[in-house]
Amino acid sequence: GENVEQHPSTLSVQEGDSAVIKCTYSDSASNYFPWYKQELGKGPQLIIDIRSNVGEKKDQRIAVTLNKTAKHFSLHITETQPEDSAVYFCAASRKQAGTALIFGKGTTLSVSS
Amino acid sequence: EAQVTQNPRYLITVTGKKLTVTCSQNMNHEYMSWYRQDPGLGLRQIYYSMNVEVTDKGDVPEGYKVSRKEKRNFPLILESPSPNQTSLYFCASSRVAGLGSYEQYFGPGTRLTVT
Repeated sequence: GENVEQHPSTLSVQEGDSAVIKCTYSDSASNYFPWYKQELGKGPQLIIDIRSNVGEKKDQRIAVTLNKTAKHFSLHITETQPEDSAVYFCAASRKQAGTALIFGKGTTLSVSS
Repeated sequence: EAQVTQNPRYLITVTGKKLTVTCSQNMNHEYMSWYRQDPGLGLRQIYYSMNVEVTDKGDVPEGYKVSRKEKRNFPLILESPSPNQTSLYFCASSRVAGLGSYEQYFGPGTRLTVT
């Protein structure tokens, strides 16, 4: 079955720096790759997603890139702010609408001012 | 306001006592899922539903049951809870939002302790 590896497990940056979180997946049939942000005491929040027919997607300070050949995808956050501090999860799925998701184990991002 | 609600938010129970965690969404989403979150293991999908009366197993379905009799509700049933089901549970609903993207919302979570 699918396996998703996520690195690093913790990441500390200064406010204004960029942060990059990387994930690799094992199932070449996976075609949907979402990223989630989870703040303390809350449920995960979908922040950006990408399908396998797209190489890059951007939404303001957040971007995701996908390399299907290498089976890895990355989350890029530019101009980080303290409110970006949270746990970030990547996931992969071969089914519709985010069902049958396999998650990475998460990255705790700390942005210090 | 678009939301996914879960009840109860906190529950302490004893081994073997059947319980149900309810999940309801007000967005008319076709797809609903249940996840458990454990330290060091991240989020793992328990069951999901593609539509009314259509459910399928996720990664960790053992010891759980679900039903989808109505589009808005997707209850999680633990027929005989055991201590290894102590966890934080999340319900989620989603739909295709166009251009290959999805709209997805998670509930606030249910913290379950089985003694």
